[in-house]
Amino acid sequence: SQTIHQWPATLVQPVGSPLSLECTVEGTSNPNLYWYRQAAGRGLQLLFYSIGIDQISSEVPQNLSASRPQDRQFILSSKKLLLSDSGFYLCAWSVKEIGNEQFFGPGTRLTVL
Amino acid sequence: AQSVTQPDIHITVSEGASLELRCNYSYGATPYLFWYVQSPGQGLQLLLKYFSGDTLVQGIKGFEAEFKRSQSSFNLRKPSVHWSDAAEYFCAVGPRTGTASKLTFGTGTRLQVTL
Repeated sequence: SQTIHQWPATLVQPVGSPLSLECTVEGTSNPNLYWYRQAAGRGLQLLFYSIGIDQISSEVPQNLSASRPQDRQFILSSKKLLLSDSGFYLCAWSVKEIGNEQFFGPGTRLTVL
Repeated sequence: AQSVTQPDIHITVSEGASLELRCNYSYGATPYLFWYVQSPGQGLQLLLKYFSGDTLVQGIKGFEAEFKRSQSSFNLRKPSVHWSDAAEYFCAVGPRTGTASKLTFGTGTRLQVTL
């Protein structure tokens, strides 16, 4: 069966520090991968998605970037965190065929102080 | 641009009572439709989905949803709520074409269940 992992589970970082959040998927090959941010009362906002290695699409302009160095690894990064980057970050995967549901990881709670 | 509206931010129901959570969407064409549930501090779990065919869709945990094209709605229902159903519920829509299943989510409805 497929499993999606995210780490760390929680993170507290000072403003201006770098960020690296990692997501890995097991039990499937060549998935589509997604990064979402969830802010209180605002639902989920799609940040990035990837249909293959080194193929990243950004959905919103922001202070963050994403990379996919391996088929089942998706990394969310920032060079300098802002207070507004605080939130709950969720990684998800789906099979290639359009219309299929996404499966979500457990999330990372990021607090920028 | 596509959007999903969940007009109820917070709903409280008694255990054993029926439940209906509302979802309306705005989309260029009929999208794929999903309901997810999220427990505090956790990821999202799929409850059910609508692609085509029968407009009444059955999901896990006794939930069902009805797609009404004329009303652009996809409301979630459960005939008898259990205390363990307390969580946040998200409606989402996704495209029928393209290279990735990019979902647009509503802002969620938080369900509280009283005993």
